[in-house]
Amino acid sequence: AQSVTQLGSHVSVSEGALVLLRCNYSSSVPPYLFWYVQYPNQGLQLLLKYTSAATLVKGINGFEAEFKKSETSFHLTKPSAHMSDAAEYFCAVSSFGNEKLTFGTGTRLTIIP
Amino acid sequence: DSGVTQTPKHLITATGQRVTLRCSPRSGDLSVYWYQQSLDQGLQFLIQYYNGEERAKGNILERFSAQQFPDLHSELNLSSLELGDSALYFCASSAPGQGALNEQFFGPGTRLTVL
Repeated sequence: AQSVTQLGSHVSVSEGALVLLRCNYSSSVPPYLFWYVQYPNQGLQLLLKYTSAATLVKGINGFEAEFKKSETSFHLTKPSAHMSDAAEYFCAVSSFGNEKLTFGTGTRLTIIP
Repeated sequence: DSGVTQTPKHLITATGQRVTLRCSPRSGDLSVYWYQQSLDQGLQFLIQYYNGEERAKGNILERFSAQQFPDLHSELNLSSLELGDSALYFCASSAPGQGALNEQFFGPGTRLTVL
């Protein structure tokens, strides 16, 4: 079975500050890892994905994430927060031959002006 | 706009009723996935279809069923509705080939309220 744990259901950062959203995974097979963003009243949009190539993955809107096998982590970062980053962020896992996405519980990011 | 469309956007119904949610995938996508998002359970995978055939099943209740038609649109049928079925139901689609490596594109969702 696969699972992801997102630490912190709510994170607040000041505009211009570093954004760090945490995700740890559990998987008995090599995982594929994803970060999705959900804006209010909208569907989910893919930010970035790790599929066993480079461990540092760059995504849209200035976000990036690093896969660390030793720590079973895939934390999402952005150097400088923008007001438009306020949204809910979901970490998800799948694997080869298992296309369903297993999501974490989500982290709501608030940006303080 | 992801290219995935879902209708209706909102649905309000009573307990014991039956509803049908509809999803049209992106042009060319053969896989359709259904997910449920609720406050209690979070985002959960329900079921996947690939080119008309069921491919994977998740935490889908027996009262729920789905199908994918020859034109690749999909319907999720929910029957004997209970208050706890109130949730946001998302459909996603992905392109053929590369399986789990492919991005899933999500529709805007159908918000179901059971009164």
